[in-house]
Amino acid sequence: GAGVSQSPRYKVTKRGQDVALRCDPISGHVSLYWYRQALGQGPEFLTYFNYEAQQDKSGLPNDRFSAERPEGSISTLTIQRTEQRDSAMYRCASSRWAGEVGTDTQYFGPGTRLTVL
Amino acid sequence: GENVEQHPSTLSVQEGDSAVIKCTYSDSASNYFPWYKQELGKRPQLIIDIRSNVGEKKDQRIAVTLNKTAKHFSLHITETQPEDSAVYFCAPGGYQKVTFGIGTKLQVIP
Repeated sequence: GAGVSQSPRYKVTKRGQDVALRCDPISGHVSLYWYRQALGQGPEFLTYFNYEAQQDKSGLPNDRFSAERPEGSISTLTIQRTEQRDSAMYRCASSRWAGEVGTDTQYFGPGTRLTVL
Repeated sequence: GENVEQHPSTLSVQEGDSAVIKCTYSDSASNYFPWYKQELGKRPQLIIDIRSNVGEKKDQRIAVTLNKTAKHFSLHITETQPEDSAVYFCAPGGYQKVTFGIGTKLQVIP
């Protein structure tokens, strides 16, 4: 079946603009994760959901970052008033079920490469 | 939060040799220990995982060993091939946030 998809794949924006990044998980996957990955680094955890409930958002860098998953499927990560330091690859991942965070195989999406000018 | 360290950060081996990457973690509540492989320009993919009630798991040329007392687990790749060249991440989970290691870049020299 279809894997995790993300859109857009590339996003170039100007400093101060808002951006919305979309993640479409594997059908039926309960858990959804957002990560930020800098070049040459491991994925940095941002937040995760079980169904529509946001379980942990302590990894979000500041209050300009928010995420939602209103119907327990597609999720959106929104960055308001973007800054150059927000430039990175943003990846989402989904897993069938993870009662505790990160305790099942995560299937990653292709990522959205965000560039803030 | 969890403190995760991977060693070495880079590793070069001759084709056919073995490679071992070690991951240490700080949270004794962690109970899931996966290894992900990320090829250049691609997404991370799980290659093997182990849970805290098992000490070792093998899948063909790949194995993972776990030492919960010492809080570390290792990835073992035998008979390495050029296609094993990639960055490998550990990501212990089960408590609070998921924390990925910084990665180990493995280069297999033909």
